[in-house]
Amino acid sequence: DQQVKQNSPSLSVQEGRISILNCDYTNSMFDYFLWYKKYPAEGPTFLISISSIKDKNEDGRFTVFLNKSAKHLSLHIVPSQPGDSAVYFCAASGSGIRQKLVFGQGTRLTINP
Amino acid sequence: DVKVTQSSRYLVKRTGEKVFLECVQDMDHENMFWYRQDPGLGLRLIYFSYDVKMKEKGDIPEGYSVSREKKERFSLILESASTNQTSMYLCASSFPTFVQHDNNSPLHFGNGTRLTVT
Repeated sequence: DQQVKQNSPSLSVQEGRISILNCDYTNSMFDYFLWYKKYPAEGPTFLISISSIKDKNEDGRFTVFLNKSAKHLSLHIVPSQPGDSAVYFCAASGSGIRQKLVFGQGTRLTINP
Repeated sequence: DVKVTQSSRYLVKRTGEKVFLECVQDMDHENMFWYRQDPGLGLRLIYFSYDVKMKEKGDIPEGYSVSREKKERFSLILESASTNQTSMYLCASSFPTFVQHDNNSPLHFGNGTRLTVT
């Protein structure tokens, strides 16, 4: 049972344009959401997060939107740069101690010059 | 800076071998995790540990075991390696509670071990 889903395995975007990556979740107990970026042969690195009390969080070129009623979040990258080409994972967890992050399948983003 | 170190970047093992993957963290984190990453399947949790000598199964524990004798070290053991265990293995660590502040990562990953079983 996939609790966190990224339905687009890949996405190709022109440099300078907006990249939009989507993620859906099914567990209503999730209240903390994150995006990680991964290059080949490296561990995932944290990108941005959002707690369920908010519907938007920005950090530079990256913005995460959360729609709790739809159980949907998205990551916007503006403007997209060649260094953004990587696999992006959406993750979610509940509150309290002894939580674990549940990850989606990942979306491979390619930025074309 | 948190450092999570996995002992090997690349490993090649034969079917049936016993394989040890080692992970060490230097941030005094209570929680440690082992994930595997496969194309199209994302990161799947194998085992995790909330304290020394304590372990809990994740989503795909079959064929694996773990050992946590010291707080900073968490080992993943493949009792008898099989070809379907060829994968990228990722270790991570965290404090007991994920601090839910925006732009703060609760989980710190190592660089991964690419294991090939032939």
